[in-house]
Amino acid sequence: IAGITQAPTSQILAAGRRMTLRCTQDMRHNAMYWYRQDLGLGLRLIHYSNTAGTTGKGEVPDGYSVSRANTDDFPLTLASAVPSQTSVYFCASRLGDTQYFGPGTRLTVL
Amino acid sequence: EDQVTQSPEALRLQEGESSSLNCSYTVSGLRGLFWYRQDPGKGPEFLFTLYSAGEEKEKERLKATLTKKESFLHITAPKPEDSATYLCAVQAIRDSSYKLIFGSGTRLLVRP
Repeated sequence: IAGITQAPTSQILAAGRRMTLRCTQDMRHNAMYWYRQDLGLGLRLIHYSNTAGTTGKGEVPDGYSVSRANTDDFPLTLASAVPSQTSVYFCASRLGDTQYFGPGTRLTVL
Repeated sequence: EDQVTQSPEALRLQEGESSSLNCSYTVSGLRGLFWYRQDPGKGPEFLFTLYSAGEEKEKERLKATLTKKESFLHITAPKPEDSATYLCAVQAIRDSSYKLIFGSGTRLLVRP
């Protein structure tokens, strides 16, 4: 692994289903982030974690939860997906003040 | 409220035709201003960080500049491979999360 990996690459999900987006980094960065990207709105922060064992809410946290059991992994869970959660989701990690992004997960909720 | 506005939304250039992209920002204490490049279907790729007014950074055909209210990304003699969406983001000095506040980007198309 080199950098940040995200899985799945894309997913179509029925409304009401539970879904976990996976994010793994091998750079040993302490801080990690989840953003969603929607056309015309740019990237918006969902949740973040400054270090393993801690998490915080971003700008659009409703309907999402995260956990940070170790340094490398930062999964994002949609407990009961709704169509408004259709988006492209990016995970990022931070070194100093610079964030580095993964390749993204394209999620469609029908 | 901290916010970032990028203009234009889209820009078409002929190969070799230099131009500038604008990023206007409002933030209560700037820690840094960031430029990213994003190719279709990919994640944002870090380009530059600028910290204080007057600072400039260069990378190949790209040069980023910063004032107290805006940043410019100058593209000199662009090539078709410079086609991408360019994202600007700010980070507030008071924010312990170091989150990025993004603009909605400028889509650049360079025609051969």
